[in-house]
Amino acid sequence: LAKTTQPISMDSYEGQEVNITCSHNNIATNDYITWYQQFPSQGPRFIIQGYKTKVTNEVASLFIPADRKSSTLSLPRVSLSDTAVYYCLVGSYYYQLIWGAGTKLIIKP
Amino acid sequence: GAGVSQSPSNKVTEKGKDVELRCDPISGHTALYWYRQSLGQGLEFLIYFQGNSAPDKSGLPSDRFSAERTGGSVSTLTIQRTQQEDSAVYLCASSLTGPPRGDTQYFGPGTRLTVL
Repeated sequence: LAKTTQPISMDSYEGQEVNITCSHNNIATNDYITWYQQFPSQGPRFIIQGYKTKVTNEVASLFIPADRKSSTLSLPRVSLSDTAVYYCLVGSYYYQLIWGAGTKLIIKP
Repeated sequence: GAGVSQSPSNKVTEKGKDVELRCDPISGHTALYWYRQSLGQGLEFLIYFQGNSAPDKSGLPSDRFSAERTGGSVSTLTIQRTQQEDSAVYLCASSLTGPPRGDTQYFGPGTRLTVL
């Protein structure tokens, strides 16, 4: 089963680019990499998903190297409202859905 | 359209009582998931439904926990003889097709369960 490792916490400032890296050394061939955002007292919210190389949407980019043993979530020009916990999820079949411990991102003014 | 809804939003109960938690998934979503999240922790997978079937219930922490889904829609998570360690936020999510395609899960706001 793929196990993920993320930094416990990160700090940054408004307007900066933030990169959060997730390690998943045992990722399987069929596994996707998905990132979720969670605000206090709310359920997680989908940010982005990828399988390999680079994926970009309106809120973030996801970089996945060729060996897929890690991935980096990139948040451009963060604001105070981006303060949240970010989870890296690796898996495909439901019983392989292992959630990382999450990274608590704090954005300062 | 409407997102995933859960009820109640908060539930306080006494140790030994039974509780039922309800989840209404997004209409048309065939996959439904239950998770548990303790304070400051990540999500713990409990059970997954594809339609009305639960292919694997091995994530349920004990035989006091059970879940069902009827009509391919609403799901109920029941905890019998609640214990203080059951206190957590119980989250429900649904997705259009479910694994193995890795489609997006949409989460409800959760039910905060407190066992006194």
